[in-house]
Amino acid sequence: DGGITQSPKYLFRKEGQNVTLSCEQNLNHDAMYWYRQDPGQGLRLIYYSQIVNDFQKGDIAEGYSVSREKKESFPLTVTSAQKNPTAFYLCASSIDRGSGPDTQYFGPGTRLTVL
Amino acid sequence: AQSVTQLGSHVSVSEGALVLLRCNYSSSVPPYLFWYVQYPNQGLQLLLKYTSAATLVKGINGFEAEFKKSETSFHLTKPSAHMSDAAEYFCAVSVGVNTGTASKLTFGTGTRLQVTL
Repeated sequence: DGGITQSPKYLFRKEGQNVTLSCEQNLNHDAMYWYRQDPGQGLRLIYYSQIVNDFQKGDIAEGYSVSREKKESFPLTVTSAQKNPTAFYLCASSIDRGSGPDTQYFGPGTRLTVL
Repeated sequence: AQSVTQLGSHVSVSEGALVLLRCNYSSSVPPYLFWYVQYPNQGLQLLLKYTSAATLVKGINGFEAEFKKSETSFHLTKPSAHMSDAAEYFCAVSVGVNTGTASKLTFGTGTRLQVTL
């Protein structure tokens, strides 16, 4: 079955540590996205990537980094520079045909807790 | 820049009653509009989307939404609520682009729907 997988589902981190969240898709989608979700704030865009080896900052990129070495993978690293990293992180992908906004499909999410 | 406002962070309805979740958007160009649903500790699932083809859009699980340009609204409705509809609902807006830029969505803050017996 085609879809988006995120791992792990729950992640605990000590303050000062970097941590990497995994996102893999087998939908053959071109574009991939990372969002952060906090209670009462909806989803906010962290980074997005249109093609391999290219990515753009979203609205809240500070303290995060990404890579896009393969079409199907878009890992997110939460660095120690992120002041408030505890949140629910969602990865999404879309076809990106370039003719208008395509539907974004979401993974199940990773809940990160900083201890 | 585009934005979305969802009126009411919590809505409670009785089972069998009408569901109405409000969404107003702001966009300087014709928008694409989406409604997503999220169950606890899960990702988002697309309910429906408006892409200028028809103003009344039907989605999954009996939901529909009507695009009203004059009111800049895209409210979500369902004639009869079911217990399984209890979830959080997000409205999102994106503007059409034709240069291959990835589709950036701007989300509202969400409305939590409670369905009571």
